[in-house]
Formats: sequence, structure tokens, C-alpha cells
Amino acid sequence: DGGITQSPKYLFRKEGQNVTLSCEQNLNHDAMYWYRQDPGQGLRLIYYSQIVNDFQKGDIAEGYSVSREKKESFPLTVTSAQKNPTAFYLCASSPRTSGRAYEQYFGPGTRLTVT
Amino acid sequence: DAKTTQPPSMDCAEGRAANLPCNHSTISGNEYVYWYRQIHSQGPQYIIHGLKNNETNEMASLIITEDRKSSTLILPHATLRDTAVYYCIVSSGADRGSTLGRLYFGRGTQLTVWP
Repeated sequence: DGGITQSPKYLFRKEGQNVTLSCEQNLNHDAMYWYRQDPGQGLRLIYYSQIVNDFQKGDIAEGYSVSREKKESFPLTVTSAQKNPTAFYLCASSPRTSGRAYEQYFGPGTRLTVT
Repeated sequence: DAKTTQPPSMDCAEGRAANLPCNHSTISGNEYVYWYRQIHSQGPQYIIHGLKNNETNEMASLIITEDRKSSTLILPHATLRDTAVYYCIVSSGADRGSTLGRLYFGRGTQLTVWP
């Protein structure tokens, strides 16, 4: 069964701790993304990666870090520098295209609560 | 960077057609219109996309006006499981010199299907 998995579904952390969210895909997609969603809001792009060992900042990258050592994996670390880390985090992937339409496939999300 | 305008909420009776409008008056010639939906607490799901022509798939139909400044997503026979937030997005296949198009998710339209 092809798809994107995110774990865990719910995550609780104390303020000041770094936490890493997992994202794995077996769709053989080149591009992967991390989004953040706050209640009643749309999605905001944190980081994205077009290819292994390469990634770019999205609109709200401050306080976050990523790595892309393997094609199928794109973990997100929420650092203690992120002022409001409590949110719903979504990972997505897509085939890498240039100038063509494409669709993004989303994982089920991780709901992070920091107290 | 919202390029679309959608009503915040709509409702529809089960079994009837749901017509979700979207305005994108500043759309460029190389930008596609995408529709995604997000059921509560899940990742968004791709529905359909189009450039100029009307499109239909097993989930929905997309009607794009001739001037491309607006579109309508049609769910022909809405069911309770279609209750979700629907996002209309315009995006090209490339973004600021990169080969990766960006998808900007606004607040979308909350569609409620009632029995």
C-alpha cells in the first residue's frame, strides 16, 4: 500500500524541549513538504525538499529544522526556538515536475502539544 | 499569498449537487486551478485540477469560466462523507525560478452536508 506515514499521531512535550516529527513515503516521490496548520486556518509551508540532500525554507521556517538524507524520509525538528509550537503538522510529497501540474499527497498529520 | 476568494461556509442536502465557487481574478496564463479537501483532523486530499478546459473525474467536476477568473467545483451527489473544508488553489508548475510549484492553502470553504 503506497502512501505517506507520519508518526506519532499525537505528541506531547514540555516547553524548551526539541522534538522530531517523522515523515516517510513509499511513493518514490522526489519532493517532500512540511506544513503547519493552526485551528481554523489554512496550511502554511515550513520547509520543502525537491531532492535528496537539498531543502529550502518555506514561509515560516524559523524555529524548525529538517534533513533529507534519504528519498523516502523527511523528518522535521521543532526546536525550543519556535515560539508557538503547538499545532497540527502535515507532511506531503509529490513527483518532481517542472512547469506541469502535479498533486501533493498528504500524510495523516501529527498533532503536537507543548506545555 | 492568497490568490483565491472562497465563501467561508456552505451547506447542502444529501443527494443534491454541491456547487462550490472560487474567484481567482488575478490568475496568470500558466497557473492551474487545484481543488483539495480536508476532512476534520486529517490531511488534505487532492480532488481535481484544470488549466482552461472543464474537467471531470470520479470525485467531482471542475468548471472554469472562459476568462479563467473564476471556477466552480461540483460534487454531483453530495453525501455526509463529503462534509469537509474545500480549498481552491491557483499555482503554476514553477515558483520563483525553481522547478517546484507552490500551493497556497487559504481558509477554504467549510461544506456541511446535512441528511
